[in-house]
Amino acid sequence: GAGVSQSPRYKVAKRGQDVALRCDPISGHVSLFWYQQALGQGPEFLTYFQNEAQLDKSGLPSDRFFAERPEGSVSTLKIQRTQQEDSAVYLCASSFVGVNTEAFFGQGTRLTVV
Amino acid sequence: QKEVEQNSGPLSVPEGAIASLNCTYSDRGSQSFFWYRQYSGKSPELIMFIYSNGDKEDGRFTAQLNKASQYVSLLIRDSQPSDSATYLCALGGSSNTGKLIFGQGTTLQVKP
Repeated sequence: GAGVSQSPRYKVAKRGQDVALRCDPISGHVSLFWYQQALGQGPEFLTYFQNEAQLDKSGLPSDRFFAERPEGSVSTLKIQRTQQEDSAVYLCASSFVGVNTEAFFGQGTRLTVV
Repeated sequence: QKEVEQNSGPLSVPEGAIASLNCTYSDRGSQSFFWYRQYSGKSPELIMFIYSNGDKEDGRFTAQLNKASQYVSLLIRDSQPSDSATYLCALGGSSNTGKLIFGQGTTLQVKP
């Protein structure tokens, strides 16, 4: 596709349920980022991949959060035993390598934990 | 102190006026600065980036960077109702990974 694709667009999970969020980056983009955006706030960095290597996971809020990108393309963010505070929009972005390159964002997955 | 500070607003300006959005940051090692626009319920989209001190103009938008004072601003000339959105200031962290550190965003309302 032409842009970053995320699925599902909306997810409602019961507290304690596990969820998996998918990101399909722009073809050829080496870098992939996950961000969490709470209502009324700016996106907060979660984790970064360069190809299949997870080079920075300093933003993951707890060990319930896990991300992977096994073949260097599609990435999955998994949240185990969801809590209400996990409710947010999860944004995926991709870019070419480099600090000054433009990151393109997907539409996000809105997760609501009830 | 947050790494990137923005006034959440809302900032309200009449149509045709200049909107001025400001951002301060704490990491002196930051090398790159970005302004993203985010419409309600949509993803952020890049408007401008700036790396050097001074002004950078692109159409109706001007980004201004002052590294000594650690602030970056965005001016929108001839504001239109379609400019109404949240404007996010972001820093490229000093880690050189492309990771962005965002402010909380400023909501701009342009009234016809």
